[in-house]
Amino acid sequence: GAVVSQHPSRVICKSGTSVKIECRSLDFQATTMFWYRQFPKQSLMLMATSNEGSKATYEQGVEKDKFLINHASLTLSTLTVTSAHPEDSSFYICSARDPGGTTEAFFGQGTRLTVV
Amino acid sequence: QKEVEQNSGPLSVPEGAIASLNCTYSDRGSQSFFWYRQYSGKSPELIMFIYSNGDKEDGRFTAQLNKASQYVSLLIRDSQPSDSATYLCAVNAPSNTGKLIFGQGTTLQVKP
Repeated sequence: GAVVSQHPSRVICKSGTSVKIECRSLDFQATTMFWYRQFPKQSLMLMATSNEGSKATYEQGVEKDKFLINHASLTLSTLTVTSAHPEDSSFYICSARDPGGTTEAFFGQGTRLTVV
Repeated sequence: QKEVEQNSGPLSVPEGAIASLNCTYSDRGSQSFFWYRQYSGKSPELIMFIYSNGDKEDGRFTAQLNKASQYVSLLIRDSQPSDSATYLCAVNAPSNTGKLIFGQGTTLQVKP
């Protein structure tokens, strides 16, 4: 199946700093990627839909100025958590669908963010 | 009402038994249904997807879909301790862009 690579897998940062997470589709072009957040013992919550060449679509309650999404190419989307706070500590996961395949979404490995 | 609902469990079954995981969804326009397995600290991995009413079998796994009842289930036969994980039911948004709506997941424990 298609491969989605996410980097870094784990990051620790200080409060007030910004962290960038990358999501790459390795063997297909993804015009759309999705960013999810998962708190401990909870399900995945969609944060935003990343659209190549246009603005991301954010879900209700997600601050677009805090979670900056850039989808500059057909194989790369980035999520930047700006001015991170401890409450932003979570597991961030991206996914993408191969337009030439099924409706199956492929997930990256996830990024464990810890803000101290 | 949540869009996708699952019993959080834990569901505990003995090794070799059949584990039955259930999921209901609210949007009748949903057309694609997925079961993901997630081990602690890891990203979800796809087990099965189903589009049509009825059963779909893949090895020890059987997905069942009943659109009239808005119900999808996953059966795991001959459960193994390695099947112990959280199982996430996901429904594709009717716009079919790849956006998935997840249930809260059911934790399965298979005891040796």
